[in-house]
Amino acid sequence: SQKIEQNSEALNIQEGKTATLTCNYTNYSPAYLQWYRQDPGRGPVFLLLIRENEKEKRKERLKVTFDTTLKQSLFHITASQPADSATYLCALVLLYNFNKFYFGSGTKLNVKP
Amino acid sequence: DTAVSQTPKYLVTQMGNDKSIKCEQNLGHDTMYWYKQDSKKFLKIMFSYNNKELIINETVPNRFSPKSPDKAHLNLHINSLELGDSAVYFCASSQWGDTQYFGPGTRLTVL
Repeated sequence: SQKIEQNSEALNIQEGKTATLTCNYTNYSPAYLQWYRQDPGRGPVFLLLIRENEKEKRKERLKVTFDTTLKQSLFHITASQPADSATYLCALVLLYNFNKFYFGSGTKLNVKP
Repeated sequence: DTAVSQTPKYLVTQMGNDKSIKCEQNLGHDTMYWYKQDSKKFLKIMFSYNNKELIINETVPNRFSPKSPDKAHLNLHINSLELGDSAVYFCASSQWGDTQYFGPGTRLTVL
Protein backbone atom coordinates (compact mmCIF):
# COMPACT_ATOMS: atom_id res chain seq x y z
CA SER A 1 0.00 0.00 0.00
CA GLN A 2 1.01 3.62 -0.35
CA LYS A 3 3.21 5.01 2.39
CA ILE A 4 3.77 8.70 3.05
CA GLU A 5 6.57 9.79 5.34
CA GLN A 6 7.06 13.16 6.92
CA ASN A 7 9.57 14.02 9.58
CA SER A 8 7.76 13.36 12.83
CA GLU A 9 10.16 15.52 14.80
CA ALA A 10 9.26 19.16 15.16
CA LEU A 11 11.20 21.67 13.10
CA ASN A 12 12.34 24.68 15.11
CA ILE A 13 13.61 27.70 13.22
CA GLN A 14 14.24 31.37 13.83
CA GLU A 15 11.92 34.04 12.44
CA GLY A 16 13.05 35.26 9.03
CA LYS A 17 14.72 31.99 8.03
CA THR A 18 13.47 29.56 5.42
CA ALA A 19 11.67 26.46 6.66
CA THR A 20 11.98 23.30 4.55
CA LEU A 21 9.70 20.35 5.16
CA THR A 22 10.03 16.97 3.48
CA CYS A 23 7.46 14.49 2.20
CA ASN A 24 8.61 11.11 0.90
CA TYR A 25 6.39 8.47 -0.62
CA THR A 26 6.78 4.86 -1.65
CA ASN A 27 5.19 2.60 -4.22
CA TYR A 28 2.97 4.24 -6.78
CA SER A 29 3.52 7.59 -8.40
CA PRO A 30 0.89 10.16 -7.53
CA ALA A 31 -1.11 12.13 -10.04
CA TYR A 32 -0.57 15.11 -7.80
CA LEU A 33 0.49 16.07 -4.33
CA GLN A 34 -1.02 18.64 -1.98
CA TRP A 35 0.17 20.45 1.12
CA TYR A 36 -2.14 21.38 3.97
CA ARG A 37 -1.72 23.40 7.15
CA GLN A 38 -3.33 22.26 10.39
CA ASP A 39 -3.61 24.41 13.51
CA PRO A 40 -4.38 22.85 16.92
CA GLY A 41 -8.05 21.97 17.29
CA ARG A 42 -8.84 22.70 13.64
CA GLY A 43 -9.19 20.84 10.38
CA PRO A 44 -6.46 20.92 7.73
CA VAL A 45 -6.51 23.84 5.29
CA PHE A 46 -5.30 23.50 1.69
CA LEU A 47 -2.18 25.46 0.70
CA LEU A 48 -0.70 24.24 -2.58
CA LEU A 49 -1.07 21.54 -5.21
CA ILE A 50 1.66 20.28 -7.54
CA ARG A 51 1.12 17.83 -10.41
CA GLU A 52 3.39 14.98 -11.44
CA ASN A 53 4.59 16.86 -14.53
CA GLU A 54 5.45 20.02 -12.57
CA LYS A 55 8.79 20.60 -10.89
CA GLU A 56 7.92 23.61 -8.81
CA LYS A 57 4.96 25.72 -7.67
CA ARG A 58 4.96 29.03 -5.82
CA LYS A 59 2.41 31.03 -3.89
CA GLU A 60 3.57 34.15 -2.08
CA ARG A 61 6.16 32.95 0.49
CA LEU A 62 5.43 29.28 -0.18
CA LYS A 63 7.22 27.03 -2.64
CA VAL A 64 6.69 23.34 -3.37
CA THR A 65 8.96 21.10 -5.41
CA PHE A 66 8.22 17.64 -6.70
CA ASP A 67 10.87 15.07 -7.68
CA THR A 68 9.26 11.90 -9.02
CA THR A 69 12.66 10.22 -9.34
CA LEU A 70 13.45 10.70 -5.67
CA LYS A 71 9.74 10.25 -4.79
CA GLN A 72 9.92 13.37 -2.73
CA SER A 73 8.26 16.74 -2.32
CA LEU A 74 9.82 19.67 -0.48
CA PHE A 75 7.76 22.48 1.03
CA HIS A 76 9.49 25.78 1.69
CA ILE A 77 8.34 28.81 3.65
CA THR A 78 10.61 31.78 3.08
CA ALA A 79 10.94 34.69 5.52
CA SER A 80 9.13 32.58 8.12
CA GLN A 81 7.01 34.25 10.80
CA PRO A 82 5.75 33.02 14.19
CA ALA A 83 2.26 32.92 12.61
CA ASP A 84 3.55 30.15 10.31
CA SER A 85 3.86 27.85 13.33
CA ALA A 86 1.53 24.91 12.68
CA THR A 87 1.57 21.29 11.53
CA TYR A 88 2.01 20.81 7.79
CA LEU A 89 0.59 17.73 6.08
CA CYS A 90 1.30 16.40 2.64
CA ALA A 91 -1.28 14.36 0.78
CA LEU A 92 -1.05 12.51 -2.47
CA VAL A 93 -3.66 11.38 -4.94
CA LEU A 94 -2.97 8.42 -7.19
CA LEU A 95 -3.49 8.30 -10.94
CA TYR A 96 -6.07 5.53 -10.80
CA ASN A 97 -8.11 6.81 -7.85
CA PHE A 98 -8.66 10.53 -7.82
CA ASN A 99 -10.89 10.40 -4.81
CA LYS A 100 -8.54 8.72 -2.40
CA PHE A 101 -6.15 10.98 -0.53
CA TYR A 102 -3.18 9.50 1.32
CA PHE A 103 -1.99 11.81 4.09
CA GLY A 104 1.32 11.92 5.90
CA SER A 105 1.34 12.36 9.67
CA GLY A 106 2.60 15.91 9.37
CA THR A 107 5.57 17.91 10.58
CA LYS A 108 5.16 20.48 13.32
CA LEU A 109 6.87 23.76 12.55
CA ASN A 110 7.80 26.15 15.35
CA VAL A 111 8.98 29.60 14.28
CA LYS A 112 10.59 31.49 17.14
CA PRO A 113 10.68 35.30 17.27
CA ASP B 1 -20.90 31.08 6.22
CA THR B 2 -19.22 27.89 7.35
CA ALA B 3 -18.21 25.75 4.37
CA VAL B 4 -18.06 22.36 6.11
CA SER B 5 -19.69 22.01 9.51
CA GLN B 6 -19.75 19.10 11.94
CA THR B 7 -21.73 18.45 15.08
CA PRO B 8 -20.97 17.88 17.83
CA LYS B 9 -17.48 19.31 18.31
CA TYR B 10 -16.89 17.21 21.41
CA LEU B 11 -18.40 13.85 22.27
CA VAL B 12 -17.68 12.04 25.54
CA THR B 13 -19.39 8.72 26.03
CA GLN B 14 -19.14 5.33 27.70
CA MET B 15 -17.94 2.13 26.10
CA GLY B 16 -20.74 0.20 24.45
CA ASN B 17 -22.85 3.24 23.59
CA ASP B 18 -24.00 4.20 20.10
CA LYS B 19 -23.34 7.71 18.80
CA SER B 20 -23.68 9.76 15.62
CA ILE B 21 -21.70 12.62 14.11
CA LYS B 22 -23.28 14.87 11.50
CA CYS B 23 -21.64 16.74 8.64
CA GLU B 24 -22.93 19.30 6.20
CA GLN B 25 -21.25 21.20 3.37
CA ASN B 26 -22.58 24.23 1.52
CA LEU B 27 -19.93 24.30 -1.21
CA GLY B 28 -21.93 22.36 -3.78
CA HIS B 29 -19.30 19.61 -3.87
CA ASP B 30 -20.14 16.15 -5.12
CA THR B 31 -17.81 14.14 -2.87
CA MET B 32 -17.68 13.88 0.92
CA TYR B 33 -15.32 12.01 3.21
CA TRP B 34 -14.83 10.82 6.76
CA TYR B 35 -11.31 10.74 8.19
CA LYS B 36 -9.99 9.57 11.53
CA GLN B 37 -7.02 11.36 13.10
CA ASP B 38 -5.37 9.45 15.91
CA SER B 39 -3.16 10.71 18.72
CA LYS B 40 -0.11 10.61 16.43
CA LYS B 41 -1.88 13.02 14.07
CA PHE B 42 -2.09 10.43 11.32
CA LEU B 43 -5.09 11.29 9.12
CA LYS B 44 -6.65 8.14 7.67
CA ILE B 45 -9.52 7.97 5.23
CA MET B 46 -12.49 5.87 6.33
CA PHE B 47 -15.26 6.46 3.81
CA SER B 48 -16.03 8.53 0.76
CA TYR B 49 -19.34 9.25 -0.96
CA ASN B 50 -19.78 10.66 -4.44
CA ASN B 51 -23.28 11.91 -5.25
CA LYS B 52 -24.68 9.85 -2.37
CA GLU B 53 -22.94 6.68 -3.57
CA LEU B 54 -20.31 4.96 -1.39
CA ILE B 55 -17.05 4.86 -3.39
CA ILE B 56 -14.40 4.33 -0.75
CA ASN B 57 -14.83 1.98 2.18
CA GLU B 58 -11.53 1.36 3.89
CA THR B 59 -10.85 -1.40 6.37
CA VAL B 60 -13.12 -0.03 9.04
CA PRO B 61 -15.05 -2.14 11.59
CA ASN B 62 -18.66 -2.58 10.53
CA ARG B 63 -19.66 -0.85 13.76
CA PHE B 64 -19.07 2.31 11.71
CA SER B 65 -21.84 3.08 9.26
CA PRO B 66 -21.90 6.19 7.08
CA LYS B 67 -25.09 7.57 5.61
CA SER B 68 -25.50 10.22 2.95
CA PRO B 69 -29.12 11.41 2.70
CA ASP B 70 -28.14 13.92 0.00
CA LYS B 71 -25.03 15.42 -1.62
CA ALA B 72 -24.65 18.04 1.10
CA HIS B 73 -24.81 15.73 4.11
CA LEU B 74 -22.76 12.80 5.34
CA ASN B 75 -23.35 11.32 8.77
CA LEU B 76 -21.36 8.74 10.68
CA HIS B 77 -23.01 6.36 13.11
CA ILE B 78 -20.89 4.27 15.46
CA ASN B 79 -22.29 1.28 17.33
CA SER B 80 -20.89 -0.34 20.47
CA LEU B 81 -18.17 2.22 21.00
CA GLU B 82 -14.75 0.96 22.11
CA LEU B 83 -11.82 2.69 23.80
CA GLY B 84 -9.84 2.51 20.56
CA ASP B 85 -12.44 4.61 18.78
CA SER B 86 -11.26 7.67 20.70
CA ALA B 87 -9.86 10.08 18.12
CA VAL B 88 -10.73 13.21 16.19
CA TYR B 89 -13.08 12.57 13.28
CA PHE B 90 -12.98 14.96 10.34
CA CYS B 91 -15.52 15.37 7.62
CA ALA B 92 -14.30 16.81 4.31
CA SER B 93 -15.72 17.61 0.90
CA SER B 94 -14.25 18.12 -2.56
CA GLN B 95 -15.27 18.33 -6.17
CA TRP B 96 -14.19 14.94 -7.53
CA GLY B 97 -10.67 14.61 -6.17
CA ASP B 98 -9.90 18.31 -6.15
CA THR B 99 -8.85 20.25 -3.04
CA GLN B 100 -10.34 18.95 0.18
CA TYR B 101 -12.22 21.27 2.52
CA PHE B 102 -12.27 19.99 6.08
CA GLY B 103 -14.71 20.53 8.87
CA PRO B 104 -13.56 21.57 12.36
CA GLY B 105 -13.47 17.99 13.62
CA THR B 106 -15.31 16.04 16.32
CA ARG B 107 -13.21 14.93 19.27
CA LEU B 108 -14.61 11.61 20.45
CA THR B 109 -13.58 10.32 23.87
CA VAL B 110 -14.72 6.87 24.90
CA LEU B 111 -14.46 6.17 28.63
